Amino acid sequence: DTAVSQTPKYLVTQMGNDKSIKCEQNLGHDTMYWYKQDSKKFLKIMFSYNNKELIINETVPNRFSPKSPDKAHLNLHINSLELGDSAVYFCASSQAYRGNSPLHFGNGTRLTVT
Amino acid sequence: DQQVKQNSPSLSVQEGRISILNCDYTNSMFDYFLWYKKYPAEGPTFLISISSIKDKNEDGRFTVFLNKSAKHLSLHIVPSQPGDSAVYFCAASASNFGNEKLTFGTGTRLTIIP
Repeated sequence: DTAVSQTPKYLVTQMGNDKSIKCEQNLGHDTMYWYKQDSKKFLKIMFSYNNKELIINETVPNRFSPKSPDKAHLNLHINSLELGDSAVYFCASSQAYRGNSPLHFGNGTRLTVT
Repeated sequence: DQQVKQNSPSLSVQEGRISILNCDYTNSMFDYFLWYKKYPAEGPTFLISISSIKDKNEDGRFTVFLNKSAKHLSLHIVPSQPGDSAVYFCAASASNFGNEKLTFGTGTRLTIIP
């Protein structure tokens, strides 16, 4: 019973395609996030949703569109994929976005754009 | 601008000895610090945290020390075990923002030699 699960684990696609990554958490948390880990290993926040509402949208191209149908799910859709989008994308959740409740991460989706 | 730095990309320690992982930060607004551990092909998992009102926090074999004047924290693992081999990420946040502005270091790969 994985707490934060994301699919797919690997995604290989060509430039210009549109792809989605799904994320679900069964922890009952109010807040979910998308993080990107680039080739230099930096883990950077992309988006944060609290109770299905967008809270944070860091400087991410608008080709990236998160969707939260309910507070247990936060999906990431990426349009017109570019080579620079190749990275590992982690979904995470926490009890609240204010305060310091630890993040629970999924196992990541390795996206390779060719 | 890298506000959280882990200057040692890798560290090897003999089993049973002490592992010391270091982290430096530049933002004086940071007042809450966390360590995450990451195995290959998995997401980071929360290990231990410390608030700036303390200078030490201990949890079993793991102790985090905080030196606010030096803007430095360290994670001590004693005794080190083979299962401790992983990448360790230091992270920092400011209470006003919590997870909204959680900033990660680039990680230190710890290898425990049997």
